[in-house]
Amino acid sequence: GENVEQHPSTLSVQEGDSAVIKCTYSDSASNYFPWYKQELGKRPQLIIDIRSNVGEKKDQRIAVTLNKTAKHFSLHITETQPEDSAVYFCAARSNFGNEKLTFGTGTRLTIIP
Amino acid sequence: DTAVSQTPKYLVTQMGNDKSIKCEQNLGHDTMYWYKQDSKKFLKIMFSYNNKELIINETVPNRFSPKSPDKAHLNLHINSLELGDSAVYFCASSQIAGGLYKYFGPGTRLLVL
Repeated sequence: GENVEQHPSTLSVQEGDSAVIKCTYSDSASNYFPWYKQELGKRPQLIIDIRSNVGEKKDQRIAVTLNKTAKHFSLHITETQPEDSAVYFCAARSNFGNEKLTFGTGTRLTIIP
Repeated sequence: DTAVSQTPKYLVTQMGNDKSIKCEQNLGHDTMYWYKQDSKKFLKIMFSYNNKELIINETVPNRFSPKSPDKAHLNLHINSLELGDSAVYFCASSQIAGGLYKYFGPGTRLLVL
């Protein structure tokens, strides 16, 4: 089955700086890669996603890049703000079988004012 | 927002008890899921139902029994609760099986004493 690794597990950045979170996946059949943000005590919410036929996607201050050959994808947050502090999860969905979404282990991002 | 709702929000109980968590979605989605998030924030799928039929059953003890009376509801019954069952349980739904966007419920925080 799919295995998703996520790094780093914790990340602290100064407000205004950029943050990068990286994930690798094992199943070359995976074709969809969402990122979820979970604020303290809240539910995970989708913030951006990318499909395997696209190399990069951007939405305001967040962007995701995908390298299918290397089987890794990254989340980039620019001009970070205190409200970006949260746990971020990457995930990968296989195109076969039950099309299960496998989550990474999460990155706790802290923005230092 | 009440797109996906869960009850109860908090559940504190003694080891050995049996408890149920209820989930309802009013999005008209066909597929519903149960995820378990442990103390390290690791988010792992437990079950998935599509139109009341079980389609994903991860390696979960058979003390956990999901029930879907209709496609808008997916309940989770847990027998003989153990300390290791303490976690946050999230219900989620998506439009179709393997659907790209998953809406998560607010979570049920279970503490087994």
